[in-house]
Amino acid sequence: KAGVTQTPRYLIKTRGQQVTLSCSPISGHRSVSWYQQTPGQGLQFLFEYFSETQRNKGNFPGRFSGRQFSNSRSEMNVSTLELGDSALYLCASRRASSGTSTDTQYFGPGTRLTVL
Amino acid sequence: AQSVAQPEDQVNVAEGNPLTVKCTYSVSGNPYLFWYVQYPNRGLQFLLKYITGDNLVKGSYGFEAEFNKSQTSFHLKKPSALVSDSALYFCAVRPPEGGADGLTFGKGTHLIIQP
Repeated sequence: KAGVTQTPRYLIKTRGQQVTLSCSPISGHRSVSWYQQTPGQGLQFLFEYFSETQRNKGNFPGRFSGRQFSNSRSEMNVSTLELGDSALYLCASRRASSGTSTDTQYFGPGTRLTVL
Repeated sequence: AQSVAQPEDQVNVAEGNPLTVKCTYSVSGNPYLFWYVQYPNRGLQFLLKYITGDNLVKGSYGFEAEFNKSQTSFHLKKPSALVSDSALYFCAVRPPEGGADGLTFGKGTHLIIQP
C-alpha cells in the first residue's frame, strides 16, 4: 500500500507570494492533518480535515488555510508569505473510521518551503 | 492543554549498549502516547504507541516503551543499539477519546550511536 505522498518536495518562494502544497493520504484514510516543522519551534499542528471539513485548527494566523477534497486529498495554502514561514510542512493521514483518536497518524516526506 | 517534554537534546550511546530516550507528558485524562523517528530530509516514521492495557509497548525495529502513569512518563528503550538507530526521535501525545486535536510533539532528541 502506498504511503502518504506530498508534492512538491521542495519549493522556493519570495516574500508576499502565496503557495499551495498538496497531500495524498494513504488509501482508505479519511483524515489528513498538517504540521509545520522548524528548528526553533519544532513540530506544530496546523489543522486537521475529515470528510472535507476542518475539525480543528492550531495556533496559526489566517494566512494558513487548507481544504480537503471528496477523495480525501488535501491542499494547504499560505498567503502573503513571510520569511518565518520557511519550514518543512508535513502531512499525515489516519483512518479515523469511527472518529476515534486512537489510530496512528502516518506522515509523508514533507515539502521543504524556503521563503526568500 | 497538553504538553510533552523531552529533557535531553542529545543522547550518546555506544553500539551494542542499551538506550533510553526520555519523555514526560502532561494531559487531562488518560493519554494516547506515540513515538516517531525522523531521519535526515525525511518525514516521521511511526515506531509505537500506547493507548491502553499493558504498560510495556513493543514497536518497530526492536524498540519498546514503558508507560508510567504515576510518573507521567513514556520512555523509549532498546536493549542493544545499532549505528543505524542514529536519528531524531519525537514523543507525542494526543488528548483522550473525543478530541479532534492533532498530536502535540516534544522538541525531539538526537540519538547518536557510536561504533
